[in-house]
Amino acid sequence: NAGVTQTPKFRILKIGQSMTLQCAQDMNHNYMYWYRQDPGMGLKLIYYSVGAGITDKGEVPNGYNVSRSTTEDFPLRLELAAPSQTSVYFCASSPLDRELFFGEGSRLTVL
Amino acid sequence: GQQLNQSPQSMFIQEGEDVSMNCTSSSIFNTWLWYKQDPGEGPVLLIALYKAGELTSNGRLTAQFGITRKDSFLNISASIPSDVGIYFCAGQPGNQFYFGTGTSLTVIP
Repeated sequence: NAGVTQTPKFRILKIGQSMTLQCAQDMNHNYMYWYRQDPGMGLKLIYYSVGAGITDKGEVPNGYNVSRSTTEDFPLRLELAAPSQTSVYFCASSPLDRELFFGEGSRLTVL
Repeated sequence: GQQLNQSPQSMFIQEGEDVSMNCTSSSIFNTWLWYKQDPGEGPVLLIALYKAGELTSNGRLTAQFGITRKDSFLNISASIPSDVGIYFCAGQPGNQFYFGTGTSLTVIP
């Protein structure tokens, strides 16, 4: 049972580089979310999507972009990486906007 | 964004003791969720609550959706070493879920 799959699990970026964090779910959930978690903190919502073709900003969207071309995939794009984007990123999906099911996380370091 | 106050921040308890933690929000929520996160892993859902006053159990865990819809409580009975981890509450006023800052639980054998 795959659930929510995130890649890569670890990545080191240089300041100014760009990259895409991949997220895929095989549960046919309409709702998908991207969160970041900083040390000792809760999760902050970056972007979310209520279905293919529909995305919206969360609490901390600056420096990120998303797209949702299919129900299964919800990639998160970092443009011009900055040290402040060093964090652990979690993707989650939800059926009918209820429980959230998380992936294992992608650990990003920007140097 | 929404403010979710989770307390206590950390707890150190003896194995076998009961544990209580809670979350309060500044506004009304439609859903409360409780998660556990182990080091290096994603949060795992423990209990979901959808109705004010709802009391739900999952094994030794019991959670309640506060009557005012602005708070929720999680109790763990007869703690065991594998209960160690960080517990998060999450609340939903609309399409977005907001998370508390977590309660770190240490169980001393």
